[in-house]
Amino acid sequence: AQKITQTQPGMFVQEKEAVTLDCTYDTSDPSYGLFWYKQPSSGEMIFLIYQGSYDQQNATEGRYSLNFQKARKSANLVISASQLGDSAMYFCAMSLNQAGTALIFGKGTTLSVSS
Amino acid sequence: DVKVTQSSRYLVKRTGEKVFLECVQDMDHENMFWYRQDPGLGLRLIYFSYDVKMKEKGDIPEGYSVSREKKERFSLILESASTNQTSMYLCASSYTGEASYEQYFGPGTRLTVT
Repeated sequence: AQKITQTQPGMFVQEKEAVTLDCTYDTSDPSYGLFWYKQPSSGEMIFLIYQGSYDQQNATEGRYSLNFQKARKSANLVISASQLGDSAMYFCAMSLNQAGTALIFGKGTTLSVSS
Repeated sequence: DVKVTQSSRYLVKRTGEKVFLECVQDMDHENMFWYRQDPGLGLRLIYFSYDVKMKEKGDIPEGYSVSREKKERFSLILESASTNQTSMYLCASSYTGEASYEQYFGPGTRLTVT
């Protein structure tokens, strides 16, 4: 069965430091996509970054990078130079390469950034 | 910009009432989804639809039904609301066919059933 595991319920980091949010996944399908979403206290889900299972290079989007280790089935999110506005819930999710397939979400990690 | 809208941000209903949650997207997406979000449980899929009048059960469909009469609109129906359906409900939409198509989410509806 497909599954996403986020083992860190909460993480704390100082402003300007880097932080890694862990995500492991389980699937037997060779083709899949991995996503990270941010959910601030206002509730909206904001797409951050995507990694395809066949992508050779790790995805990057500004201060966000995805550390994709296929053999370990991990897809950790790295946020460089944390900002106060990064305080939010972060969700890792997986999709399978099938039309109409929904995302499978992890339980989320709450990130708190302090000054 | 893709826009997914939900009919209400906050809703309070009584036990036993029939509740309709509406979701509309403006990007001609084939797929639409309803998730429920509860603390410590992440997002769980209730139902999804990959075409007009088509629907598929997700992980927790019990107590819910859906309707998709037009491509842009996907409704979630609680036939007889119960207190354990108090939750945040998120609608999303996406294109079909490729795993890289991200889902776009609405702002959510926080439903309280008393």
